[in-house]
Amino acid sequence: DQQVKQNSPSLSVQEGRISILNCDYTNSMFDYFLWYKKYPAEGPTFLISISSIKDKNEDGRFTVFLNKSAKHLSLHIVPSQPGDSAVYFCAASRVPGTYKYIFGTGTRLKVLA
Amino acid sequence: GAGVSQTPSNKVTEKGKYVELRCDPISGHTALYWYRQSLGQGPEFLIYFQGTGAADDSGLPNDRFFAVRPEGSVSTLKIQRTERGDSAVYLCASSLNRTGADTQYFGPGTRLTVL
Repeated sequence: DQQVKQNSPSLSVQEGRISILNCDYTNSMFDYFLWYKKYPAEGPTFLISISSIKDKNEDGRFTVFLNKSAKHLSLHIVPSQPGDSAVYFCAASRVPGTYKYIFGTGTRLKVLA
Repeated sequence: GAGVSQTPSNKVTEKGKYVELRCDPISGHTALYWYRQSLGQGPEFLIYFQGTGAADDSGLPNDRFFAVRPEGSVSTLKIQRTERGDSAVYLCASSLNRTGADTQYFGPGTRLTVL
Protein backbone atom coordinates (compact mmCIF):
# COMPACT_ATOMS: atom_id res chain seq x y z
CA ASP A 1 0.00 0.00 0.00
CA GLN A 2 1.64 3.19 -1.24
CA GLN A 3 0.90 5.83 1.39
CA VAL A 4 2.67 8.60 -0.53
CA LYS A 5 2.11 8.81 -4.25
CA GLN A 6 3.72 10.79 -7.00
CA ASN A 7 1.66 9.92 -10.04
CA SER A 8 3.76 11.74 -12.60
CA PRO A 9 7.01 9.86 -13.21
CA SER A 10 8.39 12.68 -15.35
CA LEU A 11 7.87 16.33 -16.23
CA SER A 12 9.48 18.61 -18.81
CA VAL A 13 9.39 22.38 -18.46
CA GLN A 14 10.92 25.22 -20.40
CA GLU A 15 13.59 27.28 -18.65
CA GLY A 16 12.07 30.32 -16.93
CA ARG A 17 8.61 28.78 -16.63
CA ILE A 18 6.96 27.33 -13.54
CA SER A 19 7.46 23.68 -12.57
CA ILE A 20 4.68 22.10 -10.51
CA LEU A 21 5.31 18.73 -8.92
CA ASN A 22 2.47 16.95 -7.17
CA CYS A 23 2.20 14.49 -4.33
CA ASP A 24 -0.78 12.76 -2.71
CA TYR A 25 -0.92 10.89 0.57
CA THR A 26 -3.45 8.57 2.14
CA ASN A 27 -2.56 8.56 5.83
CA SER A 28 -4.34 11.39 7.65
CA MET A 29 -1.92 10.99 10.58
CA PHE A 30 0.93 12.49 8.56
CA ASP A 31 1.65 16.02 9.71
CA TYR A 32 5.10 16.85 8.42
CA PHE A 33 6.02 16.86 4.75
CA LEU A 34 9.25 17.37 2.87
CA TRP A 35 10.63 17.59 -0.63
CA TYR A 36 14.02 16.19 -1.54
CA LYS A 37 15.95 16.61 -4.77
CA LYS A 38 18.22 13.87 -6.06
CA TYR A 39 20.91 14.07 -8.72
CA PRO A 40 22.34 10.86 -10.23
CA ALA A 41 24.89 9.09 -8.02
CA GLU A 42 24.14 11.43 -5.10
CA GLY A 43 21.97 11.10 -2.03
CA PRO A 44 18.69 12.99 -1.68
CA THR A 45 19.19 16.65 -0.76
CA PHE A 46 16.68 18.37 1.50
CA LEU A 47 14.83 21.13 -0.31
CA ILE A 48 11.88 22.39 1.71
CA SER A 49 9.43 21.21 4.34
CA ILE A 50 6.01 22.11 5.68
CA SER A 51 4.15 21.35 8.85
CA SER A 52 0.46 20.56 8.77
CA ILE A 53 -0.33 23.73 10.70
CA LYS A 54 0.59 25.71 7.58
CA ASP A 55 -0.71 25.62 4.05
CA LYS A 56 2.24 27.29 2.38
CA ASN A 57 5.98 27.58 2.90
CA GLU A 58 8.29 29.55 0.65
CA ASP A 59 12.06 29.51 0.26
CA GLY A 60 13.42 31.52 -2.64
CA ARG A 61 12.28 29.99 -5.91
CA PHE A 62 10.66 27.04 -4.11
CA THR A 63 7.18 27.03 -2.58
CA VAL A 64 5.36 24.08 -1.10
CA PHE A 65 1.58 24.12 -0.80
CA LEU A 66 -0.36 21.77 1.45
CA ASN A 67 -4.06 20.97 1.08
CA LYS A 68 -4.91 18.82 4.08
CA SER A 69 -8.53 18.21 3.14
CA ALA A 70 -7.43 16.83 -0.23
CA LYS A 71 -4.34 15.13 1.24
CA HIS A 72 -2.30 16.78 -1.46
CA LEU A 73 0.87 18.78 -1.61
CA SER A 74 2.70 20.42 -4.44
CA LEU A 75 6.09 21.95 -5.06
CA HIS A 76 6.33 25.03 -7.26
CA ILE A 77 9.64 26.13 -8.74
CA VAL A 78 9.65 29.61 -10.25
CA PRO A 79 11.51 30.35 -12.43
CA SER A 80 12.76 26.92 -13.42
CA GLN A 81 16.45 26.61 -14.25
CA PRO A 82 18.36 23.85 -16.08
CA GLY A 83 20.19 23.06 -12.81
CA ASP A 84 16.83 22.10 -11.30
CA SER A 85 16.76 19.01 -13.53
CA ALA A 86 16.72 16.11 -11.06
CA VAL A 87 14.42 13.56 -9.47
CA TYR A 88 12.16 15.08 -6.81
CA PHE A 89 10.81 12.98 -3.95
CA CYS A 90 8.12 14.00 -1.55
CA ALA A 91 8.15 12.44 1.91
CA ALA A 92 5.78 12.41 4.86
CA SER A 93 6.03 11.62 8.53
CA ARG A 94 4.41 12.22 11.90
CA VAL A 95 5.43 14.69 14.60
CA PRO A 96 6.66 13.86 17.17
CA GLY A 97 8.76 10.90 16.22
CA THR A 98 9.51 12.07 12.71
CA TYR A 99 12.08 9.37 12.20
CA LYS A 100 10.21 7.24 9.70
CA TYR A 101 9.92 9.12 6.44
CA ILE A 102 7.61 7.59 3.87
CA PHE A 103 8.72 8.52 0.38
CA GLY A 104 6.92 8.70 -2.92
CA THR A 105 8.41 7.11 -6.02
CA GLY A 106 9.74 10.39 -7.39
CA THR A 107 9.18 12.67 -10.36
CA ARG A 108 11.98 13.28 -12.83
CA LEU A 109 12.03 16.96 -13.77
CA LYS A 110 13.76 18.08 -16.92
CA VAL A 111 14.18 21.82 -17.45
CA LEU A 112 14.85 22.59 -21.09
CA ALA A 113 17.18 25.45 -21.96
CA GLY B 1 30.55 21.48 7.54
CA ALA B 2 30.98 17.85 6.58
CA GLY B 3 27.88 15.99 5.56
CA VAL B 4 26.94 12.34 5.98
CA SER B 5 29.54 10.07 4.44
CA GLN B 6 29.13 6.45 3.37
CA THR B 7 31.67 3.84 2.37
CA PRO B 8 32.14 2.13 0.06
CA SER B 9 30.37 4.05 -2.68
CA ASN B 10 30.01 0.85 -4.67
CA LYS B 11 30.11 -2.77 -3.57
CA VAL B 12 29.87 -5.78 -5.86
CA THR B 13 29.57 -9.17 -4.22
CA GLU B 14 28.51 -12.68 -5.02
CA LYS B 15 25.33 -14.33 -3.88
CA GLY B 16 25.76 -15.84 -0.44
CA LYS B 17 28.54 -13.52 0.71
CA TYR B 18 28.56 -11.19 3.72
CA VAL B 19 28.83 -7.41 3.33
CA GLU B 20 29.23 -4.43 5.62
CA LEU B 21 28.23 -0.90 4.72
CA ARG B 22 29.47 2.03 6.78
CA CYS B 23 27.89 5.38 7.63
CA ASP B 24 29.47 8.43 9.28
CA PRO B 25 26.75 10.86 10.37
CA ILE B 26 27.00 14.62 10.67
CA SER B 27 28.87 15.55 13.84
CA GLY B 28 26.47 16.23 16.70
CA HIS B 29 23.55 14.38 15.16
CA THR B 30 22.21 11.85 17.64
CA ALA B 31 19.73 10.16 15.31
CA LEU B 32 20.78 7.91 12.44
CA TYR B 33 18.68 6.15 9.82
CA TRP B 34 19.17 3.55 7.13
CA TYR B 35 17.02 3.43 4.01
CA ARG B 36 17.12 1.25 0.93
CA GLN B 37 16.29 2.52 -2.54
CA SER B 38 15.51 0.06 -5.29
CA LEU B 39 15.42 1.01 -8.94
CA GLY B 40 12.45 3.25 -9.76
CA GLN B 41 11.37 3.53 -6.14
CA GLY B 42 11.71 6.05 -3.36
CA PRO B 43 13.86 5.32 -0.31
CA GLU B 44 12.33 2.77 2.08
CA PHE B 45 12.97 2.93 5.81
CA LEU B 46 15.05 0.13 7.33
CA ILE B 47 16.16 1.11 10.83
CA TYR B 48 16.51 4.09 13.15
CA PHE B 49 19.07 4.63 15.91
CA GLN B 50 18.77 7.04 18.78
CA GLY B 51 22.25 7.13 20.24
CA THR B 52 23.62 3.60 20.44
CA GLY B 53 20.33 1.75 20.48
CA ALA B 54 18.06 0.74 17.63
CA ALA B 55 14.83 2.55 18.45
CA ASP B 56 12.97 1.04 15.50
CA ASP B 57 14.16 -1.79 13.26
CA SER B 58 10.75 -2.60 11.83
CA GLY B 59 11.89 -1.89 8.28
CA LEU B 60 14.60 -4.56 8.16
CA PRO B 61 13.33 -7.10 5.61
CA ASN B 62 14.52 -10.25 7.41
CA ASP B 63 17.07 -11.56 9.89
CA ARG B 64 19.89 -11.47 7.35
CA PHE B 65 20.00 -7.73 7.89
CA PHE B 66 21.51 -6.25 11.03
CA ALA B 67 22.86 -2.82 11.97
CA VAL B 68 24.96 -1.53 14.84
CA ARG B 69 26.03 1.83 16.20
CA PRO B 70 28.26 0.89 19.15
CA GLU B 71 29.49 4.36 20.14
CA GLY B 72 26.53 6.43 19.05
CA SER B 73 28.25 7.82 15.97
CA VAL B 74 29.38 5.57 13.10
CA SER B 75 26.95 2.86 12.06
CA THR B 76 27.44 -0.34 10.10
CA LEU B 77 24.73 -2.15 8.18
CA LYS B 78 25.51 -5.84 7.86
CA ILE B 79 23.94 -8.21 5.37
CA GLN B 80 24.51 -11.94 5.64
CA ARG B 81 24.07 -14.51 2.86
CA THR B 82 23.37 -11.82 0.29
CA GLU B 83 20.75 -12.46 -2.36
CA ARG B 84 20.32 -10.88 -5.79
CA GLY B 85 17.21 -9.12 -4.49
CA ASP B 86 19.37 -7.21 -2.00
CA SER B 87 20.84 -5.21 -4.88
CA ALA B 88 19.92 -1.57 -4.26
CA VAL B 89 21.32 1.75 -3.11
CA TYR B 90 21.62 1.82 0.67
CA LEU B 91 21.21 5.33 2.05
CA CYS B 92 22.14 6.61 5.46
CA ALA B 93 20.75 9.79 6.99
CA SER B 94 21.24 11.64 10.25
CA SER B 95 19.36 14.33 12.16
CA LEU B 96 19.68 16.39 15.31
CA ASN B 97 16.66 14.61 16.77
CA ARG B 98 15.07 17.69 18.24
CA THR B 99 11.63 17.50 19.77
CA GLY B 100 9.15 18.00 16.98
CA ALA B 101 9.90 18.24 13.30
CA ASP B 102 13.39 17.05 12.52
CA THR B 103 14.96 17.09 9.06
CA GLN B 104 17.05 14.16 7.93
CA TYR B 105 20.20 14.74 5.88
CA PHE B 106 21.27 11.97 3.55
CA GLY B 107 24.62 10.61 2.50
CA PRO B 108 25.48 9.71 -1.11
CA GLY B 109 24.59 6.06 -0.62
CA THR B 110 26.31 2.73 -1.23
CA ARG B 111 25.30 0.94 -4.41
CA LEU B 112 25.24 -2.77 -3.65
CA THR B 113 25.22 -5.24 -6.52
CA VAL B 114 24.80 -8.92 -5.76
CA LEU B 115 25.77 -11.14 -8.70
